[in-house]
Amino acid sequence: NAGVMQNPRHLVRRRGQEARLRCSPMKGHSHVYWYRQLPEEGLKFMVYLQKENIIDESGMPKERFSAEFPKEGPSILRIQQVVRGDSAAYFCASSPRTGGSNTEAFFGQGTRLTVV
Amino acid sequence: AQSVTQLGSHVSVSEGALVLLRCNYSSSVPPYLFWYVQYPNQGLQLLLKYTSAATLVKGINGFEAEFKKSETSFHLTKPSAHMSDAAEYFCAVSEVGELSFGAGTTVTVRA
Repeated sequence: NAGVMQNPRHLVRRRGQEARLRCSPMKGHSHVYWYRQLPEEGLKFMVYLQKENIIDESGMPKERFSAEFPKEGPSILRIQQVVRGDSAAYFCASSPRTGGSNTEAFFGQGTRLTVV
Repeated sequence: AQSVTQLGSHVSVSEGALVLLRCNYSSSVPPYLFWYVQYPNQGLQLLLKYTSAATLVKGINGFEAEFKKSETSFHLTKPSAHMSDAAEYFCAVSEVGELSFGAGTTVTVRA
């Protein structure tokens, strides 16, 4: 059973370009969470999705960021018109059940976005 | 909202010495607590989790943590550090599956 797969592992974008980060959850998992790890900061929750639904996007910046988890295919975190401050590691995690508090989340290896 | 605080951003121990990483939580309901480890340029790996079944929780790689409600703590320990334990460790609390992380503690192990 493959783990959570994120791609690309490293992504370089120029200011103003779009960044698309992909996350394929573990087989059988229908809950996906995105987190961001900024330099010198901890991991911060961004968004929680189930198939075709955004459950909680309270951690997402109000502009330029969007996320989706379609019925088929990976979850996508999209950042439009990237700025230098978007440079960070973005981690995806998936869980197998109802997203309950005691459910373990399995993390991918992350996408390291660098904006130049 | 639930939160965790990790005391000490850096811990340095000698190989073979006790590792102690501190985590305190804030929660109005019984919390679900986790410890994760992150190796350089890697994702997070679960070390152990507390889900109210037992106050002393054993995890992987010889780590364990004790839940103390009276102290609102969930400290992580390992009796004897190994060089391979050098990494960053995160305490986290879960609310409907969404994790709130502490700032992390970086562990270095001296030979």
